[in-house]
Amino acid sequence: DVKVTQSSRYLVKRTGEKVFLECVQDMDHENMFWYRQDPGLGLRLIYFSYDVKMKEKGDIPEGYSVSREKKERFSLILESASTNQTSMYLCASSPGQGPNTQYFGPGTRLTVL
Amino acid sequence: AQSVTQLDSQVPVFEEAPVELRCNYSSSVSVYLFWYVQYPNQGLQLLLKYLSGSTLVESINGFEAEFNKSQTSFHLRKPSVHISDTAEYFCAVIFTGGGNKLTFGTGTQLKVEL
Repeated sequence: DVKVTQSSRYLVKRTGEKVFLECVQDMDHENMFWYRQDPGLGLRLIYFSYDVKMKEKGDIPEGYSVSREKKERFSLILESASTNQTSMYLCASSPGQGPNTQYFGPGTRLTVL
Repeated sequence: AQSVTQLDSQVPVFEEAPVELRCNYSSSVSVYLFWYVQYPNQGLQLLLKYLSGSTLVESINGFEAEFNKSQTSFHLRKPSVHISDTAEYFCAVIFTGGGNKLTFGTGTQLKVEL
């Protein structure tokens, strides 16, 4: 079975802190994605990556950056956390090219005070 | 503009009753269609998908969805729901030419009551 793990289920940070959210997949997938999920808004794509050291902006990249130094790991970085970044963050991965199924991690609920 | 619409934010239904969760999309290109389910305190998991071929697709737990190109819809149905089907359901679309990025609807909370 594909397994996508996220470093924390719950995280509480203060405004202005630098925050790292880590995601690891164990199925050698090329593609990795970061979403945020908010009530009434569904999932919105923040950043994605098709390969190591490669990244592309999604629909809402402002205030975020990412890092993919190894194929299995995709990190989301909040350079200076703000209260409007309080949300559920979901990581996903998928194999190869084409319309393949994305596999999701359990999510990290981030609260910024 | 390309978009995905789930008009119903919440659908309450009694156990063993039928249910339909609606999904419509707007696109000028071909699409691939997905339904994901999120059980409480869990991540999303694939329920079913349409890529090509038969327009009626089924899941292993009794859900089905039909791709209707003329109405740009991909509604999810189940003839008899169970308490365990209580979850949030997300319709998602890959628009051809957009790589394999998913565009999600806003979700429908299905609440099954006794």
